[in-house]
Amino acid sequence: GAVVSQHPSWVICKSGTSVKIECRSLDFQATTMFWYRQFPKKSLMLMATSNEGSKATYEQGVEKDKFLINHASLTLSTLTVTSAHPEDSSFYICSARPFGGRAFSYEQYFGPGTRLTVT
Amino acid sequence: AQKITQTQPGMFVQEKEAVTLDCTYDTSDPSYGLFWYKQPSSGEMIFLIYQGSYDQQNATEGRYSLNFQKARKSANLVISASQLGDSAMYFCAMRGVTGGGNKLTFGTGTQLKVEL
Repeated sequence: GAVVSQHPSWVICKSGTSVKIECRSLDFQATTMFWYRQFPKKSLMLMATSNEGSKATYEQGVEKDKFLINHASLTLSTLTVTSAHPEDSSFYICSARPFGGRAFSYEQYFGPGTRLTVT
Repeated sequence: AQKITQTQPGMFVQEKEAVTLDCTYDTSDPSYGLFWYKQPSSGEMIFLIYQGSYDQQNATEGRYSLNFQKARKSANLVISASQLGDSAMYFCAMRGVTGGGNKLTFGTGTQLKVEL
C-alpha cells in the first residue's frame, strides 16, 4: 500500500526558533500534498494545499509567512514553522494525493503526524 | 461550502456488538465522495471506507459498512462485531468537485470505546 512518512515524529523547540517538518511519499508520486493541523481531541484543519513546483494555496486564516510550505518534488513537501511560539504547539499531519487519481474519489494517504511542542 | 456533522462526541460499545457512528453532510456539489477514517491514539489516520454519491450500493469493507442515505444526506458507519482494537477516534469526511476536488472536509469526530 501507499506509504507517507513524516520526519520528525515529534519535536520540542524553543520559542522564536524555526522548525522544519518533512513529508515524503515513499512508493508513489504525489500530485498534491496537504498539510493539516490538529489540536487535542479536535478535528483536522486543512492549512494548505501544495503542488510540486508551484506556490502553496493557504486556507483562510493561515499565515503564509509563518507556515512556509515547499513542495520540492513529486515525493517531498516540507512545512517550516517560522519563529515558533507556544500557540503553534500542535499535531501536524501531511497527506498526499497519488498522481493520476480520479477527480474526487481518490484515496488520500496520510503521514503519521508530527507533534510539535514549543516551550 | 461543505459541512460534515458528527453529533456523537463519544460512544461506548461492548465487544462483539455492532455500533453505528452517525454522520450527516451538506454540500452543493453535484458529485462528491464520503470517507471514514480511524485515528488511534498514536495519531495516524487510517482509511476505512469510501462511498461515492452516485454509487448504487452501500459500501462495505470487511466489518465496516456505510449506510448511505442520499436523500437524508447521511453516511453512517456501521462496525460489526466490535473488537477492543476498534477503540479510537472516527472521522467522517467528504470531498466534492468544487475547488478541483482537492479539499477534504472533516467532521469533529466520534471517540469510540469498546468494552469487554
